[in-house]
Amino acid sequence: DAGVTQSPTHLIKTRGQQVTLRCSPKSGHDTVSWYQQALGQGPQFIFQYYEEEERQRGNFPDRFSGHQFPNYSSELNVNALLLGDSALYLCASTPDRGHSGNTIYFGEGSWLTVV
Amino acid sequence: GEDVEQSLFLSVREGDSSVINCTYTDSSSTYLYWYKQEPGAGLQLLTYIFSNMDMKQDQRLTVLLNKKDKHLSLRIADTQTGDSAIYFCAESNRSGGSYIPTFGRGTSLIVHP
Repeated sequence: DAGVTQSPTHLIKTRGQQVTLRCSPKSGHDTVSWYQQALGQGPQFIFQYYEEEERQRGNFPDRFSGHQFPNYSSELNVNALLLGDSALYLCASTPDRGHSGNTIYFGEGSWLTVV
Repeated sequence: GEDVEQSLFLSVREGDSSVINCTYTDSSSTYLYWYKQEPGAGLQLLTYIFSNMDMKQDQRLTVLLNKKDKHLSLRIADTQTGDSAIYFCAESNRSGGSYIPTFGRGTSLIVHP
């Protein structure tokens, strides 16, 4: 049973560009969350998707947007990239519409470097 | 201040016990977690404890929760070099209808021979 999978694993973008990161949740999971982890910091919550809609959002600007597909996979889009967006982007999935607090699993992350 | 606070570094000798401490501010926290992150990798859920428990043991891992003081600790018995990693404390409650963990900055555990 595959866990949470993310792609790409590493990428480099230029300031002002746009990036799309992808996540496939663990089998049986229907809720996907995205986190940003800057170097030396803990993960910060960006937003959560359930039933193809953004359900909760952290303190991130509108440049960060997402999407969830009918198969529960998800994308994170970041527009107008800034140097400060360089980070590890983590996807987490959970079953039961996010109501299971003890089954939150993370992927390996996508390392984004903005130059 | 931070919602979840941890000391940044801990160094122990192989074979000793490690104790990583965490404090949090949200009195409505329902789940408290310990995640492990190895260099260049994602987060691995090590263990969690429900807020109505005060202790949970899982092989070499012991979690202690003092809800009154909002203090969580992780004890690793017989620490090995493979335990060297960053350990994140996190808490969550079901606000907005789902559990969304809030993380500390992580404690770097260094195990030396």
